[in-house]
Amino acid sequence: ELKVEQNPLFLSMQEGKNYTIYCNYSTTSDRLYWYRQDPGKSLESLFVLLSNGAVKQEGRLMASLDTKARLSTLHITAAVHDLSATYFCAVDMERNSGYALNFGKGTSLLVTP
Amino acid sequence: GAGVSQSPSNKVTEKGKDVELRCDPISGHTALYWYRQSLGQGLEFLIYFQGNSAPDKSGLPSDRFSAERTGGSVSTLTIQRTQQEDSAVYLCASSFKVTQPQHFGDGTRLSIL
Repeated sequence: ELKVEQNPLFLSMQEGKNYTIYCNYSTTSDRLYWYRQDPGKSLESLFVLLSNGAVKQEGRLMASLDTKARLSTLHITAAVHDLSATYFCAVDMERNSGYALNFGKGTSLLVTP
Repeated sequence: GAGVSQSPSNKVTEKGKDVELRCDPISGHTALYWYRQSLGQGLEFLIYFQGNSAPDKSGLPSDRFSAERTGGSVSTLTIQRTQQEDSAVYLCASSFKVTQPQHFGDGTRLSIL
């Protein structure tokens, strides 16, 4: 069974600081996704990482993937309050001729002044 | 519409009643997925459709849960004889094909009294 573990699960950080969220998964997969969820809202796709060594950046967020280590990171640079949300990583899980996402438990991020 | 549409957005019902949740995917998306999000279990995969067929139903929690998709478009998730543990947000997602990123709807918040 594919397991996806995120840490930390809760993160409070000051504006302007940097931090990294980690996502480990237990079996081979070539696709990893990062989603953002605001309270009461649905999931918003942030990044799709499709190969070993993939790195993608959008604003203050940068995601990377190491398929050999089965590890993805989401790095936050100079955090701002607008980044407060829950961040999920998800790994494609092959299922009978198709794929579905297996999610981590999410990291609740709070950015404070 | 441009996104995945789910209805109703909220549903409150009594224990033992049947409920039907609807998902209208993005036009042209062949793959459709149902997930459930609850505090205790996080985000769980329930079922996916490729066209009108569901190759993998193993994520459905019990035989009270069923889903269908017609015309390669709209899908309904039916829960019979609802129990309190069915209370959750039910999310639908669609993708152009099974290896493409999934786009999520806003979900149906189901509360069982």
